[in-house]
Amino acid sequence: DAGVIQSPRHEVTEMGQEVTLRCKPISGHDYLFWYRQTMMRGLELLIYFNNNVPIDDSGMPEDRFSAKMPNASFSTLKIQPSEPRDSAVYFCASSKTRQGSSYFGPGTRLTVT
Amino acid sequence: AQSVAQPEDQVNVAEGNPLTVKCTYSVSGNPYLFWYVQYPNRGLQFLLKYITGDNLVKGSYGFEAEFNKSQTSFHLKKPSALVSDSALYFCAVRDPKRDDKIIFGKGTRLHILP
Repeated sequence: DAGVIQSPRHEVTEMGQEVTLRCKPISGHDYLFWYRQTMMRGLELLIYFNNNVPIDDSGMPEDRFSAKMPNASFSTLKIQPSEPRDSAVYFCASSKTRQGSSYFGPGTRLTVT
Repeated sequence: AQSVAQPEDQVNVAEGNPLTVKCTYSVSGNPYLFWYVQYPNRGLQFLLKYITGDNLVKGSYGFEAEFNKSQTSFHLKKPSALVSDSALYFCAVRDPKRDDKIIFGKGTRLHILP
């Protein structure tokens, strides 16, 4: 398996633009997590899905953030409109079971100018 | 709500010496505990986990961790540090009685000095 795939790896955009981050989890994994990593706040859980259903989105910072998982092999995290404070590395991770370890993608480094 | 604390932002250890990276947690029930490592410009990699059973858990790259319920701790250890162990280490907790959220600590940067 290729592991968790994220695209793009780097994104530079201007304030106010829409940004879409993509994730392909490992096949057969039932859980998908979106995290944001910054120097100031560390690793924050934004939202997670179980069997494509959003379970907890309490970590999503604002209504500008939204996430979808239309099928078992694809998820998106959208920011609209983007702001400079959204600049961070966004990670997607998946796990097979509740007890399983999470496998992380390489991350998307987002810079909003 | 569950939480996890890594009290040290940075740990410096001489190569060949034993290392310990500390982690304490707070959950309402019996926790699932994890350690991950992050190398520069990479995603997190799983090292080891405790779910149930033996309190001493062995993982990748010679690392081990001991679950201590009375002290609510899950410290990461290695008998002899390598320079290549230098990285950012994260402790994480999941409370299976509550939900499936995995909460990560802020991370501890480990420097192994040659």
